[in-house]
Amino acid sequence: AQSVTQPDIHITVSEGASLELRCNYSYGATPYLFWYVQSPGQGLQLLLKYFSGDTLVQGIKGFEAEFKRSQSSFNLRKPSVHWSDAAEYFCAVAQNSGGGADGLTFGKGTHLIIQP
Amino acid sequence: EPEVTQTPSHQVTQMGQEVILRCVPISNHLYFYWYRQILGQKVEFLVSFYNNEISEKSEIFDDQFSVERPDGSNFTLKIRSTKLEDSAMYFCASSGDGRYGYTFGSGTRLTVV
Repeated sequence: AQSVTQPDIHITVSEGASLELRCNYSYGATPYLFWYVQSPGQGLQLLLKYFSGDTLVQGIKGFEAEFKRSQSSFNLRKPSVHWSDAAEYFCAVAQNSGGGADGLTFGKGTHLIIQP
Repeated sequence: EPEVTQTPSHQVTQMGQEVILRCVPISNHLYFYWYRQILGQKVEFLVSFYNNEISEKSEIFDDQFSVERPDGSNFTLKIRSTKLEDSAMYFCASSGDGRYGYTFGSGTRLTVV
């Protein structure tokens, strides 16, 4: 079964600094990979996704992520964070089974704190 | 932008009572899902639904849970006899094709007392 590991429970970054959130997955075949953001009391918003092609994907709000098959990683990056980026970030994987019925497996999340 | 709508946003129920959580998926989507998030824990897959039947379900989705698409627009999750450990945020999601991203609703916070 697939699994997702987000090794950092909390990360604190100064406003304007760069950000990298780590995500490692375990899945035998080519995975579909996602990053979601959850603001307090809100639902999950899709930031970006990867399923084939260019391993560097661009998302909303200035985020990008790079798929590295050799490292089984899909790290999320942003060159300059804003105070509004403070939220919970979830990495998720879906099976590349060709169908849409498979659920997502989520990591435990990384809580991002922005220092002024 | 199309949204997935969930009602109510917060529901409190007594242990042993039945609850129905409601969702209106995006209208042209074909796949529907329920997830839950116990406070402080990760989001967990419960069930997926396609073509008017359950496609996949997790170990969490036992006999006390059921899903239904009663009228072609709503998608409901029923918990027959709630337990304290059912207290969680329940998220509905829908997808045109799961590979291309899932749109989540804002969730229903269920509190069982």
